[in-house]
Amino acid sequence: AQKITQTQPGMFVQEKEAVTLDCTYDTSDQSYGLFWYKQPSSGEMIFLIYQGSYDEQNATEGRYSLNFQKARKSANLVISASQLGDSAMYFCAMREYTGRRALTFGSGTRLQVQP
Amino acid sequence: NAGVTQTPKFRVLKTGQSMTLLCAQDMNHEYMYWYRQDPGMGLRLIHYSVGEGTTAKGEVPDGYNVSRLKKQNFLLGLESAAPSQTSVYFCATSGPNSNQPQHFGDGTRLSIL
Repeated sequence: AQKITQTQPGMFVQEKEAVTLDCTYDTSDQSYGLFWYKQPSSGEMIFLIYQGSYDEQNATEGRYSLNFQKARKSANLVISASQLGDSAMYFCAMREYTGRRALTFGSGTRLQVQP
Repeated sequence: NAGVTQTPKFRVLKTGQSMTLLCAQDMNHEYMYWYRQDPGMGLRLIHYSVGEGTTAKGEVPDGYNVSRLKKQNFLLGLESAAPSQTSVYFCATSGPNSNQPQHFGDGTRLSIL
């Protein structure tokens, strides 16, 4: 079974600063994918970034980067130059590479960006 | 393109009533999923489908049934609604490659009184 742990229920960051949202995972699979989704107050789920278990380099997408440490089973999301619009819930999720290929989600971190 | 469309967006039911949530996709994806989201928790898998005519149980299937008669539609049914089923329901779809993200509908907010 897969498990995702997000230990920060809430985080505050000042506008224009960087912030790291923690995510650790547990799986017996050798191949898997790690995803981060953003959920603003409007409720939709927005895909941010993906990291494959065999990817040697950390993923980056604009202001988002994923600090992947496979040996420590961590996949932290780094948001650089925070903006007010970044205030939202952030979910880390793991996807199976075989079978049902469903996502297993963490409980989320609520990020609030302060002006 | 609409992507993934869920209907209805909101619904209030009384305990014991039945209803069906519809998920429609125009992305030609094989895989479709129903998740529920409860306060303070991440999304949890209810049922899923890996292709037309196939369905299978996820982690929290009790009290729900699903059908996928057409590739583009995935229906979630509540036969006898219970207050514990008050939640936000999300449908998601994906293609065959596991490195591709799942695409989510906007959710259905369901309240059972």
